[in-house]
Amino acid sequence: GDSVTQTEGLVTLTEGLPVMLNCTYQTIYSNPFLFWYVQHLNESPRLLLKSFTDNKRTEHQGFHATLHKSSSSFHLQKSSAQLSDSALYYCALSPGTQVVGQLTFGRGTRLQVYA
Amino acid sequence: EAAVTQSPRNKVAVTGGKVTLSCNQTNNHNNMYWYRQDTGHGLRLIHYSYGAGSTEKGDIPDGYKASRPSQENFSLILELATPSQTSVYFCASGDPGQDSYEQYFGPGTRLTVL
Repeated sequence: GDSVTQTEGLVTLTEGLPVMLNCTYQTIYSNPFLFWYVQHLNESPRLLLKSFTDNKRTEHQGFHATLHKSSSSFHLQKSSAQLSDSALYYCALSPGTQVVGQLTFGRGTRLQVYA
Repeated sequence: EAAVTQSPRNKVAVTGGKVTLSCNQTNNHNNMYWYRQDTGHGLRLIHYSYGAGSTEKGDIPDGYKASRPSQENFSLILELATPSQTSVYFCASGDPGQDSYEQYFGPGTRLTVL
């Protein structure tokens, strides 16, 4: 079945440094949708950004990611970390039109930003 | 504003007891989902539904049942609760036709089985 791999369980950064959270995926479907969800402490996950277009950068709230089908990757980046970015980040995959609506989540990466 | 609500928000149950977690959505979405969240495992899909009257098994359905009596309501049922089912449970709704497969999550239910 489908799978999403987030290699880092915890990323710690000093404020102002760049952020990169890794996400790779496996699926048999040719047109997957990829998502990043963010979950702040004691809150529920909410969508941060999404993409289904190969090699197109998508941006939201200072974060950006590019879906690369050739390497099955969808890494999350930000140029300068802020204290408020501290949260749990999930990468997720939907197979697309062939299998309607289901998401497969990675195990999550906790980002901790220090002053 | 469209919303997903869950009840109860916190629940303590005894081993062997029956637990029902409820979810209501006002998004008018066809699809609804139940996940559990555990450290090191992320969000794992238990059951989902395509509409009233339908339920489908997700990735970890053992020990859980689901019920979708209406478009708005989706319940998760633990007939014989076990300590391994202690977790945070999230309900979500989504409609691939509207939102490119985005899912909207409820606030979560923290379940402790003693």
